[in-house]
Amino acid sequence: EAQVTQNPRYLITVTGKKLTVTCSQNMNHEYMSWYRQDPGLGLRQIYYSMNVEVTDKGDVPEGYKVSRKEKRNFPLILESPSPNQTSLYFCASSRSSGGAWTDTQYFGPGTRLTVL
Amino acid sequence: AQKVTQAQTEISVVEKEDVTLDCVYETRDTTYYLFWYKQPPSGELVFLIRRNSFDEQNEISGRYSWNFQKSTSSFNFTITASQVVDSAVYFCALYDQTGANNLFFGTGTRLTVIP
Repeated sequence: EAQVTQNPRYLITVTGKKLTVTCSQNMNHEYMSWYRQDPGLGLRQIYYSMNVEVTDKGDVPEGYKVSRKEKRNFPLILESPSPNQTSLYFCASSRSSGGAWTDTQYFGPGTRLTVL
Repeated sequence: AQKVTQAQTEISVVEKEDVTLDCVYETRDTTYYLFWYKQPPSGELVFLIRRNSFDEQNEISGRYSWNFQKSTSSFNFTITASQVVDSAVYFCALYDQTGANNLFFGTGTRLTVIP
């Protein structure tokens, strides 16, 4: 089954404790991205990756890191989480690196993160 | 400037009523894509439709229909004979060629269908 998976689905942590949210897709998609969803703000892009070893900032990259060492995986790293990073996070992928605008983005199930 | 505006924050309808969710977008590009996603209470994002800027033909899929009008920069979504399972947050999104490869989302409309 074609899908985007994220782990963990729920996470409660404390300020400053490094964490990683994993994202994996099995569709051989070139493009992957991370969004955060906050009430009243919709979804905002954090980082995206056009292909392996190619990543770039989205609208709200501060406090986050990503890496793309393999095509299927695109982990989101919070080196020192803070309460304002409490949010619902979505990973997404689409087929083409020529512009995710040419292909529909498929979203993972979401990770609800709470930073105390 | 906000690229996608969903002015309706919350809508409630009684089951079997028709409901239209509004989406107004802003872009300077001639080539762009518009999307609708559904987010049910379980939280996942479900893709509903993608429409490119060169195709103004309206689309119907079962009880769902979409009205794309470039003249008013709108891409409205209508649910006919609403059902309780339609209760969700619906997001309109725009993809254009400015900036990063970024899908700009509206703030969403929460639809509640009352049995």
